[in-house]
Amino acid sequence: AQKVTQAQTEISVVEKEDVTLDCVYETRDTTYYLFWYKQPPSGELVFLIRRNSFDEQNEISGRYSWNFQKSTSSFNFTITASQVVDSAVYFCALKRGLGGGNNRKLIWGLGTSLAVNP
Amino acid sequence: KAGVTQTPRYLIKTRGQQVTLSCSPISGHRSVSWYQQTPGQGLQFLFEYFSETQRNKGNFPGRFSGRQFSNSRSEMNVSTLELGDSALYLCASSLGDRRANEQFFGPGTRLTVL
Repeated sequence: AQKVTQAQTEISVVEKEDVTLDCVYETRDTTYYLFWYKQPPSGELVFLIRRNSFDEQNEISGRYSWNFQKSTSSFNFTITASQVVDSAVYFCALKRGLGGGNNRKLIWGLGTSLAVNP
Repeated sequence: KAGVTQTPRYLIKTRGQQVTLSCSPISGHRSVSWYQQTPGQGLQFLFEYFSETQRNKGNFPGRFSGRQFSNSRSEMNVSTLELGDSALYLCASSLGDRRANEQFFGPGTRLTVL
């Protein structure tokens, strides 16, 4: 079975702190895709990153970085020098790489609510 | 390029009524997925349409239905509304031709059932 676990329900930090959001996934597939989305208070989910299972290279985009480790089935997200505008709910999701039908749908974690306080 | 649009943004209905929500995907995107988001259940997949055909379906009762038109616009219908249907309904579009395609979401329709 496919599953995504975001163990941190809520995180609160002070501006300029670094924060890491954890994502652990379960799948028996060798080909799969991982995603991170951000949902600010406005409600619209914003795509942040996609990673395929064959690419374990970490990625950095400005203050955002992602650490993909297949050995621990984790795809963690770090925000460096957090800002108030980073306050949002962050979702990790998994999509299977093969098969049709319901194998194509995204499997979502329950999200981590991040509050960055001034 | 215009993003995904959803109408209406807010809706208040009473139990037993029915509702239709609309989603216009990004131009060129052929796949539209619908999700229900509630505080307790998180994001729950409803269904996906691709080229006017339902390609995927979640575990929702038959009161939830959808369709997609030839211009890729999609509608979702909920009949005989229940209090538990109160939620944020999100629509997502993607190219849909490859498994890796990321989904782009609309702002959602917040449905309140009284």
